Amino acid sequence: DIQMTQSPSTLSASVGDRVTITCRASQSISGFLAWYQQKPGRAPKLLIYKASSLGSGVPSRFSGSGSGTEFTLTISSLQPDDFATYYCQQYNSYPYTFGQGTKLEIK
Amino acid sequence: EVQLVESGGGLVQPGGSLRLSCAASGFTFSSYSMNWVRQAPGKGLEWLSYINSVSSAIYYAVSVKGRFTISRDNAMNTLSLQMNSLRAEDTAVYYCARGFYGGGANNFYMDVWGKGTTVTVS
Repeated sequence: DIQMTQSPSTLSASVGDRVTITCRASQSISGFLAWYQQKPGRAPKLLIYKASSLGSGVPSRFSGSGSGTEFTLTISSLQPDDFATYYCQQYNSYPYTFGQGTKLEIK
Repeated sequence: EVQLVESGGGLVQPGGSLRLSCAASGFTFSSYSMNWVRQAPGKGLEWLSYINSVSSAIYYAVSVKGRFTISRDNAMNTLSLQMNSLRAEDTAVYYCARGFYGGGANNFYMDVWGKGTTVTVS
């Protein structure tokens, strides 16, 4: 199975900050990486697919990059609505696997 | 509006069975692959199972293989998950999620999610 490791596990930031979350795969996933946002008590929401493609209706302050085994999610200017937990997920091969999550907290 | 609505969750004793359903609307269900994903209390997301649009390709996570069975009824726009031999560690919120073709030979990301149904094994 492909292991996905996110860092950091927790991130404290302020409104307006630029933040980056990293996701590393245990082997190459050919760019088949998605990012999801989840708020407490809510279902996950797709943000990014194919490492860098923006999901439908997702604000342009979200961006993704990377290839091979290392990927990043960047939020260019944090908004109050962005404080949530973020997960990366590989869909290169089954079983699909998620990172452990990064909780983005208000500083 | 594209929508997925899970049902069938509840309290079940260890060793028991439960059948979850996911009702799809607002899109052509028979054209999409589907997935089940769960989240234990306070934990991260765990992918469980995939089924393609015509039920000819099915995959499971090791943690549920042999105990859970995914199926679909395209005429009824419904996805199901039959869960047998339930354990305490199966306690979670269970989500169904639509698979969207993401390139490659068999690569689907999950673009639409239901709100989830809660399963408690105790």
